[in-house]
Amino acid sequence: NAGVMQNPRHLVRRRGQEARLRCSPMKGHSHVYWYRQLPEEGLKFMVYLQKENIIDESGMPKERFSAEFPKEGPSILRIQQVVRGDSAAYFCASSPPSRANEQFFGPGTRLTVL
Amino acid sequence: SQQGEEDPQALSIQEGENATMNCSYKTSINNLQWYRQNSGRGLVHLILIRSNEREKHSGRLRVTLDTSKKSSSLLITASRAADTASYFCATDDSNYQLIWGAGTKLIIKP
Repeated sequence: NAGVMQNPRHLVRRRGQEARLRCSPMKGHSHVYWYRQLPEEGLKFMVYLQKENIIDESGMPKERFSAEFPKEGPSILRIQQVVRGDSAAYFCASSPPSRANEQFFGPGTRLTVL
Repeated sequence: SQQGEEDPQALSIQEGENATMNCSYKTSINNLQWYRQNSGRGLVHLILIRSNEREKHSGRLRVTLDTSKKSSSLLITASRAADTASYFCATDDSNYQLIWGAGTKLIIKP
């Protein structure tokens, strides 16, 4: 049973470009969570999605950030017009429907904005 | 505001010694979890302790939870070089949103 997969593992973008981060949850998991980790800090919750639904996006910046989890395919975290402050590790986690607190994490995508 | 706060921020011990890390939190919780993160890598789930549990063991790991003091401790016995990593506690109060501390950096000296 493959774990949570994220790609790319490393992403370099110049200021103003777009970053698209992908997350494939574990098999049988229908809930996906995105977290951001700044250097030397813990993770900060961004968004919680179920298939075709955003349940809680209270941790997402209001502008430039969006997330989706379509019926088919991976969850996508999209950052438009990236700035240097977006440089961070972005982690995706997934959980089974009945155990939302038992989250399994992917390896993360490290975004560097030049 | 940050929910979990680990203490100490950094810990350096000799291989074979025991390592103890603490986590304090502010509000009531459903569960508290400990994770390990090797430098620049992903997160590994270590142990989950529910709010009605006081102690839990997993191999060389022992976790305690004191809800009256809103604190938890992670004890790693007989430490090994491979235990060198950052350790995070995460709490959930809304049943899904994990709230994380800044972590404890543990260095095991050979």
